[in-house]
Amino acid sequence: EIVMTQSPATLSVSPGERATLSCRASQSVSSNLAWYQQKPGQAPRLLIYGASTRATGIPARFSGSGSGTEFTLTISSLQSEDFAVYYCHQYNNWPPTYTFGQGTKLEIK
Amino acid sequence: EVQLAESGGGLVQPGGSLRLSCAASGFTFATYEMNWVRQAPGKGLEWVSYISSSGTSMYYADSVKGRFTISRDNGKKSVYLQMNSLRAEDTAVYYCARGKLGSLGAFDIWGQGTMVSVSS
Repeated sequence: EIVMTQSPATLSVSPGERATLSCRASQSVSSNLAWYQQKPGQAPRLLIYGASTRATGIPARFSGSGSGTEFTLTISSLQSEDFAVYYCHQYNNWPPTYTFGQGTKLEIK
Repeated sequence: EVQLAESGGGLVQPGGSLRLSCAASGFTFATYEMNWVRQAPGKGLEWVSYISSSGTSMYYADSVKGRFTISRDNGKKSVYLQMNSLRAEDTAVYYCARGKLGSLGAFDIWGQGTMVSVSS
């Protein structure tokens, strides 16, 4: 099983500042990596797929980078609605044995 | 509007069974792969099962293999999860999620989830 490790577990950032979230895979997942945002009581929302492609309707302040085993989600200027939990998700295996990271909670500083 | 709506959750005793349903609307359901993902209370996301667009290929997480069965009815635009031999550790919110076309596995649309509680 590919283990996804996110860091940090919690990130405290002020509105308007930049946030950088990391995700590491235990083995290469190529660019088959997605990022999701989840707010309390809500379903996850797809932000990024293919490591760096924004999903439909996602603001340009969200960007993804990386390939292989190291990935980054950057939020360039935090808005109040961006404070949430973020998960990375690898979908490189076939047959599918998809795995998620444990999440990074982005909180207001 | 593109939507997924789960139903069928509830409280069940250990060893019991439950069948979850997920109804799709606003898109050509038969074109898309579908998945179930669960989230235990206060925990992260765990992929549970996958089914191909035609319904001929199904895959499962090791934690549910042999106990859960995924199926779909393209005519009814629905995907199902039959859960047998339920355990306390199966307690979670269960989401159905659509596989994004052309992405190999990202989930672009999620339902609101249905809660399954396994307890005596």
